[in-house]
Amino acid sequence: EAGVVQSPRYKIIEKKQPVAFWCNPISGHNTLYWYRQNLGQGPELLIRYENEEAVDDSQLPKDRFSAERLKGVDSTLKIQPAELGDSAVYLCASSLVTAGEGYEQYFGPGTRLTVT
Amino acid sequence: GQNIDQPTEMTATEGAIVQINCTYQTSGFNGLFWYQQHAGEAPTFLSYNVLDGLEEKGRFSSFLSRSKGYSYLLLKELQMKDSASYLCAVKGYSTLTFGKGTMLLVSP
Repeated sequence: EAGVVQSPRYKIIEKKQPVAFWCNPISGHNTLYWYRQNLGQGPELLIRYENEEAVDDSQLPKDRFSAERLKGVDSTLKIQPAELGDSAVYLCASSLVTAGEGYEQYFGPGTRLTVT
Repeated sequence: GQNIDQPTEMTATEGAIVQINCTYQTSGFNGLFWYQQHAGEAPTFLSYNVLDGLEEKGRFSSFLSRSKGYSYLLLKELQMKDSASYLCAVKGYSTLTFGKGTMLLVSP
């Protein structure tokens, strides 16, 4: 079974430029998460999708970040414009949540973003 | 909100036993997770505790005390490949909140 796929793995951009990250979750997983992980820190949730619906985006900086999950499968996270402080690893994870239960999240390899 | 505390770094010797502690204060508790993360890689699931007590899985065991807001991950017969960051994460009503992770260095 294929795991969570993310692309690109690495991205270097200049500040004020836009950038997009793509995630393909594990087949059949209805819940998708985007996390940001700074060096030496744990992952911090940015947004959580249940199928197509964003059910928790309270930590997403909506002035510059946007996300979508069309058809409840793949998802894209966008930053426009990027700032120096956005340099981090962006992790996508997925899980199967049924009847409000479900626990194990499977993580993708992440996209390491460097903003110069 | 959630507050999760774990040591920043630990060192141990190959073949030894190490215990990584995690304390938490949460508004809502639906389980505690331990993840392993090697440098430059994704976190991988190690264990899940929702009831008090010890869960054993091979060389790794995890303990939970909900009344004390306390968990530990016990690693036995340490191997060099166990050098990694170990993340404690608490599930609230619907999302996971991660601690900052404990970097474990296993030396020969």
